[in-house]
Amino acid sequence: DSGVTQTPKHLITATGQRVTLRCSPRSGDLSVYWYQQSLDQGLQFLIQYYNGEERAKGNILERFSAQQFPDLHSELNLSSLELGDSALYFCASTPGDRGSTEAFFGQGTRLTVV
Amino acid sequence: GNSVTQMEGPVTLSEEAFLTINCTYTATGYPSLFWYVQYPGEGLQLLLKATKADDKGSNKGFEATYRKETTSFHLEKGSVQVSDSAVYFCALSDATGGFKTIFGAGTRLFVKA
Repeated sequence: DSGVTQTPKHLITATGQRVTLRCSPRSGDLSVYWYQQSLDQGLQFLIQYYNGEERAKGNILERFSAQQFPDLHSELNLSSLELGDSALYFCASTPGDRGSTEAFFGQGTRLTVV
Repeated sequence: GNSVTQMEGPVTLSEEAFLTINCTYTATGYPSLFWYVQYPGEGLQLLLKATKADDKGSNKGFEATYRKETTSFHLEKGSVQVSDSAVYFCALSDATGGFKTIFGAGTRLFVKA
């Protein structure tokens, strides 16, 4: 158990809809990262938050947004969903914002857009 | 920008065979290097790491040495088991990359009994 909790584990929704994925980092970790893993592809970095503030942005679509709340949990909002958004979405956390620390990953949310 | 390149899979080996998965990186700073493993249906978990040149990370029989001169961090294991079947990701993170972890494409390993 990594200590990172993601909900829900599975999500099936229709094109055009909006969903929210939730992540609770390990206790005490201030940084949260979101990644997208599509079928047969590696992990694409989407966005990082550190102590409530956006720290880094990757290949995140404009239809996607995220935030980190005062209790440090984070939500990834995906809107106007398309078939191609079907993927595994992982959240990871680290204690701070220093890169030498390993990231701890949640089990992921599998999103299926039909 | 920073990037990681690892050998394409899948890699199929018989039990007790020697494993090498090649990984090279491009980074403007002095990155930390990682190998993560993803077992079927699970999230990623850290396998080993090295934070400076010439460091060797090791865990569960796997090893990788941080080679700055060749910008490489190849994963090796002397004798694989069926239970090692998984996807292996090479990764790096450093300050100039905004502290995020950047992953290679992943290499799927199948080990046959």
